Amino acid sequence: TQLLEQSPQFLSIQEGENLTVYCNSSSVFSSLQWYRQEPGEGPVLLVTVVTGGEVKKLKRLTFQFGDARKDSSLHITAAQPGDTGLYLCAGWGYGQNFVFGPGTRLSVLP
Amino acid sequence: EPEVTQTPSHQVTQMGQEVILRCVPISNHLYFYWYRQILGQKVEFLVSFYNNEISEKSEIFDDQFSVERPDGSNFTLKIRSTKLEDSAMYFCASSSQKGRGEQYFGPGTRLTVT
Repeated sequence: TQLLEQSPQFLSIQEGENLTVYCNSSSVFSSLQWYRQEPGEGPVLLVTVVTGGEVKKLKRLTFQFGDARKDSSLHITAAQPGDTGLYLCAGWGYGQNFVFGPGTRLSVLP
Repeated sequence: EPEVTQTPSHQVTQMGQEVILRCVPISNHLYFYWYRQILGQKVEFLVSFYNNEISEKSEIFDDQFSVERPDGSNFTLKIRSTKLEDSAMYFCASSSQKGRGEQYFGPGTRLTVT
């Protein structure tokens, strides 16, 4: 079973600060997706990264897929309270089902 | 914007009872999935479904579980005899493409087994 690990588990920062959260695996993934989940709701897709080394930007969010397609990062610039939530990485491994990481719970304080 | 819908939003049932959770995937999607998330834990894959049959299933998806696409729009998850440990959020997802296809999740059904 291919596992995804995420760090940090919890992150609390002040509004306006920058942050990076990480998603790592010992296995290669054909693609990785980042989701944001609010309490009691389903995961909402933010982005999919497919190519090793790929960088995608979504407003203040920057996603990167590692060259070896084993890791990914999410960088948020000038965080806002509205960014608060659980950030999940998930992906299709080769010959594997879709797996989720445990998530990074972000709290942005005003 | 098309979205996945799920009903009911919350289901309370007694241990040993059967429950059916319903999902309406995005209309032009062909691949359907069920996941569960026990409170405070990771989202876990249960089953994938394509062309009216199960494509893959996890160890969690034992004989107590079944899925069905009874018509052109609904996708259901049935738990035959619920156990306390089945209490969780159940999410349906759909995708237009297997493998690298992006999955879109419904809002979930909270199942509480008493």
